[in-house]
Amino acid sequence: NAGVTQTPKFRVLKTGQSMTLLCAQDMNHEYMYWYRQDPGMGLRLIHYSVGEGTTAKGEVPDGYNVSRLKKQNFLLGLESAAPSQTSVYFCASSHMTGGNQPQHFGDGTRLSIL
Amino acid sequence: AQSVAQPEDQVNVAEGNPLTVKCTYSVSGNPYLFWYVQYPNRGLQFLLKYITGDNLVKGSYGFEAEFNKSQTSFHLKKPSALVSDSALYFCAVRDGGFKTIFGAGTRLFVKA
Repeated sequence: NAGVTQTPKFRVLKTGQSMTLLCAQDMNHEYMYWYRQDPGMGLRLIHYSVGEGTTAKGEVPDGYNVSRLKKQNFLLGLESAAPSQTSVYFCASSHMTGGNQPQHFGDGTRLSIL
Repeated sequence: AQSVAQPEDQVNVAEGNPLTVKCTYSVSGNPYLFWYVQYPNRGLQFLLKYITGDNLVKGSYGFEAEFNKSQTSFHLKKPSALVSDSALYFCAVRDGGFKTIFGAGTRLFVKA
């Protein structure tokens, strides 16, 4: 039972490069989320999706794009990486039944932008 | 707007002693409150939640949390701490919508 799987686990990029972070869940969850975690700031929501083919902006969406072409996958893209995007990125998913369902997290992608 | 505050960056406790990790929140309407734990190089793991009903909520690994509506608090507690409880703990609030707001986190250090 894999839960939420993120790839890659680590990546180093140069400023201006692009990349895509992959998230897959096998729990048939409707909702999926991308967060970034920075020291002392908790988790901040980048983008989220309430279903296949839908996405919405979160708290810190600038510099990121997302796509949800399949229900089980949620992709986060950096078109032109900047050092300020150095962070740990977490994907999460949850059931759609109201606000009382906990989120299930992947183990993160540690991204460094030089 | 909803918000969560964890006033302590770190909590230190001796093994076997009770522990408390504090959380206060602000949300319009009825809150959904959560505690998560994060171990090194891992994602967050759900511990417990308050939706409605009893003010004392029991969760995983012997943890519990006390909901206090008048003080808008949701403190995490455990009667007897273990060294293995050392981790980063996050309080989170959701107002029934799509978004969850997380606190900055409190690092718990349990000394043997």
